[in-house]
Amino acid sequence: GDSVTQMEGPVTLSEEAFLTINCTYTATGYPSLFWYVQYPGEGLQLLLKATKADDKGSNKGFEATYRKETTSFHLEKGSVQVSDSAVYFCALNTVDGNTPLVFGKGTRLSVIA
Amino acid sequence: DTGVSQNPRHKITKRGQNVTFRCDPISEHNRLYWYRQTLGQGPEFLTYFQNEAQLEKSRLLSDRFSAERPKGSFSTLEIQRTEQGDSAMYLCASSLTALGLGELFFGEGSRLTVL
Repeated sequence: GDSVTQMEGPVTLSEEAFLTINCTYTATGYPSLFWYVQYPGEGLQLLLKATKADDKGSNKGFEATYRKETTSFHLEKGSVQVSDSAVYFCALNTVDGNTPLVFGKGTRLSVIA
Repeated sequence: DTGVSQNPRHKITKRGQNVTFRCDPISEHNRLYWYRQTLGQGPEFLTYFQNEAQLEKSRLLSDRFSAERPKGSFSTLEIQRTEQGDSAMYLCASSLTALGLGELFFGEGSRLTVL
């Protein structure tokens, strides 16, 4: 079945450091890819998405590019802030959207001042 | 606040008791999802509704679990004869199919502890 594999955390970075969180996927067909974020005490929320190969999703300084050749959707940010401390989840569903989202295990990010 | 609302936020129960969680989605959303999340894991799909119709159920949803969405508004998730392995965070999410694929709006979850 469809699955998502994320790099294990926790990841601890100093403020203004560069962030990469790796995500690879296995899917039949041609999925849409997502990053969700869960801030402390809050529900998950969509951070960014990409629906076809070579698309780049971006939001709040975060970016991820849909790489079909490497089945990857790595999350990057050039300069992290303390407020980015959260758990990040990579997810996918089928292109028609009629299957539920499949999530990775999540990667906890802690940014220290 | 017009987001997804879940109640109760925390529930502690003894093994063998029944529990029920309620989810109130964003009012115009026609899809409603239930997920379960355990410590260190991502959300795992349980079931979802489109309006009042339950369209899919995961194999994780044993016969002790039942979900309803009467009139296509709020939803309830009931767990009968709870077991310690049911301890988890139960997440509800809603979406509007016209919004775009995969954009779910999550509630803050209902945490279940089975003693």
